[in-house]
Amino acid sequence: EAGVVQSPRYKIIEKKQPVAFWCNPISGHNTLYWYLQNLGQGPELLIRYENEEAVDDSQLPKDRFSAERLKGVDSTLKIQPAELGDSAVYLCASSLVYTDTQYFGPGTRLTVL
Amino acid sequence: GNSVTQMEGPVTLSEEAFLTINCTYTATGYPSLFWYVQYPGEGLQLLLKATKADDKGSNKGFEATYRKETTSFHLEKGSVQVSDSAVYFCALSPRGGSQGNLIFGKGTKLSVKP
Repeated sequence: EAGVVQSPRYKIIEKKQPVAFWCNPISGHNTLYWYLQNLGQGPELLIRYENEEAVDDSQLPKDRFSAERLKGVDSTLKIQPAELGDSAVYLCASSLVYTDTQYFGPGTRLTVL
Repeated sequence: GNSVTQMEGPVTLSEEAFLTINCTYTATGYPSLFWYVQYPGEGLQLLLKATKADDKGSNKGFEATYRKETTSFHLEKGSVQVSDSAVYFCALSPRGGSQGNLIFGKGTKLSVKP
């Protein structure tokens, strides 16, 4: 069974440029999560989707970050414009509804110069 | 609020040594507890979990027991191998099920020397 797929794995951009990350969850997983992991820290939740609906986006900096999951399957996280402090690993995870075990993708490492 | 505190690393051990990584939590209600492992260059992998008090999670020789009275979920392994070198994260899910988002500790880096 395929795991959570993320692309790209690495991205280097100049500050003020836009960037987008893509995630395809495990087949059949209704719940999708985006996490931010700063160097030397644990992941922190940015947004959680149940199917197409964003049910928790309280930690998403909405002035520059946006996300979508239009058909309730794959998802895109966007930053516009990127700032130096956005350099981090962006992790996507998925789970079955009504379960508490999340499965993580390999992450996208973003470097903002 | 909900939070997880785990011992600071890095932890350096010789092969076949005993491992303990301490983890304590603060939560409302009865959370589920997890240990995730992150190998270099990879995403997080679930190592083990426990969903109620006194449950013991185990996998690949690692164990952790959900201790409600001490709000702890310490990770142990009797004999570590070089291949266990990784970063270990303790986490909780506040309410269980899909309503609980994972809250992670800062991670503990383990290095095992041959």
